[in-house]
Amino acid sequence: GENVEQHPSTLSVQEGDSAVIKCTYSDSASNYFPWYKQELGKGPQLIIDIRSNVGEKKDQRIAVTLNKTAKHFSLHITETQPEDSAVYFCAASNYPGSYIPTFGRGTSLIVHP
Amino acid sequence: SQTIHQWPATLVQPVGSPLSLECTVEGTSNPNLYWYRQAAGRGLQLLFYSVGIGQISSEVPQNLSASRPQDRQFILSSKKLLLSDSGFYLCAWRPNRLAREQFFGPGTRLTVL
Repeated sequence: GENVEQHPSTLSVQEGDSAVIKCTYSDSASNYFPWYKQELGKGPQLIIDIRSNVGEKKDQRIAVTLNKTAKHFSLHITETQPEDSAVYFCAASNYPGSYIPTFGRGTSLIVHP
Repeated sequence: SQTIHQWPATLVQPVGSPLSLECTVEGTSNPNLYWYRQAAGRGLQLLFYSVGIGQISSEVPQNLSASRPQDRQFILSSKKLLLSDSGFYLCAWRPNRLAREQFFGPGTRLTVL
């Protein structure tokens, strides 16, 4: 089955700095890679996703890159703000073959004002 | 628009008592539904998923069970709770088997004493 590794487990940055979270996956059949943001006491919220036919996708201050050859993808947050503080999860799934995404273990991002 | 509800938001139960958590989705039909548990440490553990009424797949053998009595209703149950059942329970849905995106509900915080 698929295995997703996520690093780092904790990331502490100063407001205004950039933050990068990296994930690797094992199943070359995976072709859909979403990222979720989970604030304290709430359910994860889908913030951005990327498909395997795209190398990069941006949405304002967040971007995701995908390297299919190396089987890794990353979340980039620029100009971080205190409200970006949360736990971020990456995931990988085989669309439309599998109903079940495989999640990374999460990264706790702390943005210091 | 589609929304997902979980009830109750928080629950404190004694060891050995029964459990019933409810998840309902509005604004869609025949969604794929999922139950996850998130223990302290952030990881998302898939417990059950359902692709239709009465169709339940179990990912982790334990003292929990799930049922889908209606198209947009997913219930997580236990006859006798254990201390280890404490955690944050998340319901998630996918619009249908052709959809890539998976969306999470607000979660239920369960504490077993």
